[in-house]
Amino acid sequence: SQKIEQNSEALNIQEGKTATLTCNYTNYSPAYLQWYRQDPGRGPVFLLLIRENEKEKRKERLKVTFDTTLKQSLFHITASQPADSATYLCALVASSNTGKLIFGQGTTLQVKP
Amino acid sequence: DARVTQTPRHKVTEMGQEVTMRCQPILGHNTVFWYRQTMMQGLELLAYFRNRAPLDDSGMPKDRFSAEMPDATLATLKIQPSEPRDSAVYFCASETGTGGQPQHFGDGTRLSIL
Repeated sequence: SQKIEQNSEALNIQEGKTATLTCNYTNYSPAYLQWYRQDPGRGPVFLLLIRENEKEKRKERLKVTFDTTLKQSLFHITASQPADSATYLCALVASSNTGKLIFGQGTTLQVKP
Repeated sequence: DARVTQTPRHKVTEMGQEVTMRCQPILGHNTVFWYRQTMMQGLELLAYFRNRAPLDDSGMPKDRFSAEMPDATLATLKIQPSEPRDSAVYFCASETGTGGQPQHFGDGTRLSIL
């Protein structure tokens, strides 16, 4: 069956360290993969998109990697800050024609000062 | 900044009542999605429209849920009759419709069915 899995346990790290979040998938061949941030009581906010033929994408302190062999994406936040505390969701675009997104359950990140 | 607007933000009602949730997508976005989020299931796609035409509503319980886009500035999601298991946060999102583009989400309608 098709699955998208993210670390279900919250990730707690110290301010200034690098946070690494994992997204694994099975039985999908995604054309794209996206990462979103969600704060309590708010809708998800788009962060980064990476295509199947791209290995890595960066935006300021954020970096995403996409390994289609391992069927895994890693999301890194360098020099983390307490304001980075939120839930991070990965989402697969299984078909670029439809734009339909399949979301993982999300990983909650807590950055301690 | 352009935003997706959802109303109401909160709704509490009794089982059996009709519930209507509304969404105003970002102007110029031609694809609109409805999602439901619960702790157990996470974020699930219920239905989506492109150029106001329904493309996929396979995630929606058809007997009680209906989704429409009366015009390009309004999408609605109705539940009739509502049941306690429908309690969740319902999100609307829109995108430019070229496929695989970032989706812009509203802040949701938190629905509680007693």
